[in-house]
Amino acid sequence: DIQLTQSPSFLSASVGDRVTITCRASEGISTHLAWFQQKPGKAPNLLIYVASTLQSGVPSRFSGSGSGTEFTLTISSLQPEDFATYYCQQLDAYPLNFGGGTKVEIK
Amino acid sequence: QLQLVQSAGEVKKPGASVKVSCKASGYTFTKYGMSWVRQAPGQGLEWMGFITGYTGNTNYAQKFEGRVTMTTDRSTNTAYMELRSLRSDDTAVYFCARTVTVIPPYSDFWGPGTLVTVSS
Repeated sequence: DIQLTQSPSFLSASVGDRVTITCRASEGISTHLAWFQQKPGKAPNLLIYVASTLQSGVPSRFSGSGSGTEFTLTISSLQPEDFATYYCQQLDAYPLNFGGGTKVEIK
Repeated sequence: QLQLVQSAGEVKKPGASVKVSCKASGYTFTKYGMSWVRQAPGQGLEWMGFITGYTGNTNYAQKFEGRVTMTTDRSTNTAYMELRSLRSDDTAVYFCARTVTVIPPYSDFWGPGTLVTVSS
């Protein structure tokens, strides 16, 4: 199985900060990666797929990059509604595992 | 509009089975698949498996093989996930998620989740 390691697992930041979350795959997955945002008590929301394609309706301050084994999700200017937990998911091979999550909290 | 309506939460005893439903509307059911993902209290997301909307082909995480069955009813645009031999660590919110049937198969819309509590 392909394992995903997210870092950091916890992040404290201020409104307006630039935030970067990393997701590393245990083997190469091309660009077959998605990023989700989840708020407490809610279902995950797709932000980015195929590593860098922004899902319709997602603000442009979110961006994704990477290929192979290393990927990043960047929020260019953190907004109050962005405080949440973020997950990566590999879509290259079954099982389609998720990373452990990164919780972004207010500093 | 796009909707995934999941069945209500359930409380089950260890050893029992649960069947969660996910009724889709607002899109052509057979053009997408459905993934099932669960989340134990305070924990991360765990992928359980996937079923195609048209053929009903399935792919399960090995962890659940033999204990899970995913099905669809094309006449009612409903997907089902049955989990058997429940244990306390199966207590979780179970999400269905519409999944594109191209490569890569990303999930672009999720149901609200169904809480399944396993307790004696």
